Amino acid sequence: GESVGLHLPTLSVQEGDNSIINCAYSNSASDYFIWYKQESGKGPQFIIDIRSNMDKRQGQRVTVLLNKTVKHLSLQIAATQPGDSAVYFCAETPIFYGGSQGNLIFGKGTKLSVKP
Amino acid sequence: DGGITQSPKYLFRKEGQNVTLSCEQNLNHDAMYWYRQDPGQGLRLIYYSQIVNDFQKGDIAEGYSVSREKKESFPLTVTSAQKNPTAFYLCASSNSGSRGTQYFGPGTRLTVL
Repeated sequence: GESVGLHLPTLSVQEGDNSIINCAYSNSASDYFIWYKQESGKGPQFIIDIRSNMDKRQGQRVTVLLNKTVKHLSLQIAATQPGDSAVYFCAETPIFYGGSQGNLIFGKGTKLSVKP
Repeated sequence: DGGITQSPKYLFRKEGQNVTLSCEQNLNHDAMYWYRQDPGQGLRLIYYSQIVNDFQKGDIAEGYSVSREKKESFPLTVTSAQKNPTAFYLCASSNSGSRGTQYFGPGTRLTVL
């Protein structure tokens, strides 16, 4: 079946460096993508989203890039801090997922560790 | 404070017992969702509801049941028919069923003894 996946299960970066977390999706009909951050034992927190009519969207210290040609999504975190340590999930909404719009398909996640 | 609350945070049950997990939101969201998360895994959709008194099965609905009698509440019952119920359960809500961003509660960790 179609799914959202991530290239790397773990990523370790030095504090202050930039982090790039990647995500591949297989459903070309998906038109909405979200990045979530999940700290240990907590629910996922919304970070940033992007619609398929955009290539790039910036937030505070975060940037999401969407390459529809190769069906690739990435999350860039600038000046990574210890508080950024968490698991990051990408999620997509296929237009006709199960006949009901709005449902998200999640990837397995990438665990980001920030070394002081 | 606006948000989504789940209770309890930790729940233990014996095999063969049904247990109900609470999810409440005061965001005035129409849609609510239940997910299951296993260690090192992504989220899998159990049930969702886009409007009061209506709900639909997700990918892994077997052994679970829900109700949506009020807009702000979407309780999940884990029945004895669920073969492997130990997991982290997450509730979410969104503004509408049409690709609104989902916001999550803090989760309930269920352990079957």
